[in-house]
Amino acid sequence: AQTVTQSQPEMSVQEAETVTLSCTYDTSESDYYLFWYKQPPSRQMILVIRQEAYKQQNATENRFSVNFQKAAKSFSLKISDSQLGDAAMYFCAYNAGKSTFGDGTTLTVKP
Amino acid sequence: EPEVTQTPSHQVTQMGQEVILRCVPISNHLYFYWYRQILGQKVEFLVSFYNNEISEKSEIFDDQFSVERPDGSNFTLKIRSTKLEDSAMYFCASSFFDRVGTDTQYFGPGTRLTVL
Repeated sequence: AQTVTQSQPEMSVQEAETVTLSCTYDTSESDYYLFWYKQPPSRQMILVIRQEAYKQQNATENRFSVNFQKAAKSFSLKISDSQLGDAAMYFCAYNAGKSTFGDGTTLTVKP
Repeated sequence: EPEVTQTPSHQVTQMGQEVILRCVPISNHLYFYWYRQILGQKVEFLVSFYNNEISEKSEIFDDQFSVERPDGSNFTLKIRSTKLEDSAMYFCASSFFDRVGTDTQYFGPGTRLTVL
């Protein structure tokens, strides 16, 4: 069974600085997607960024980028120039059909 | 931009009652999913649905749960006899592809179910 591990229950960053959220996963599949979702207090799941496993190039979406290490099964999220609105719970998810989520990391942004 | 919608946003029910949670997936999507998130916990897969039948379900999805696509737009999750532990946020998701050519699953805003 696939598992997703987020080893950082909580992270904190100063506004305008950079923070990296960690995620590792375990799978025997070769084709899959990886996602980072943001969940604000409203509890809606907002897609932040996605990475196709067959692509070597790391995905980037504005201030959000990933460091995808397929051999190491690692998929970290880097948030640059952090903003107060980035404060939320962040979930890493693995998808090869159904999605498997990590436990989440609560990100606090300090003004 | 197309989005997944869910109704109601919040449902309060008495233990033992039946509830139906409704979802309208993105119109050209073919695969539909239900997930749940108990407060403070991770999001858990319940069931996936394709071509009018369940394609995969988790151990959480027992006989108390059922899904249906009653028409061309709605996708519903029914809980026959709710228990206190069914209190959670229920998310519907849809995607165009599944598996190989796996596509992004787009999530609805969720329905918060409270069982008293």
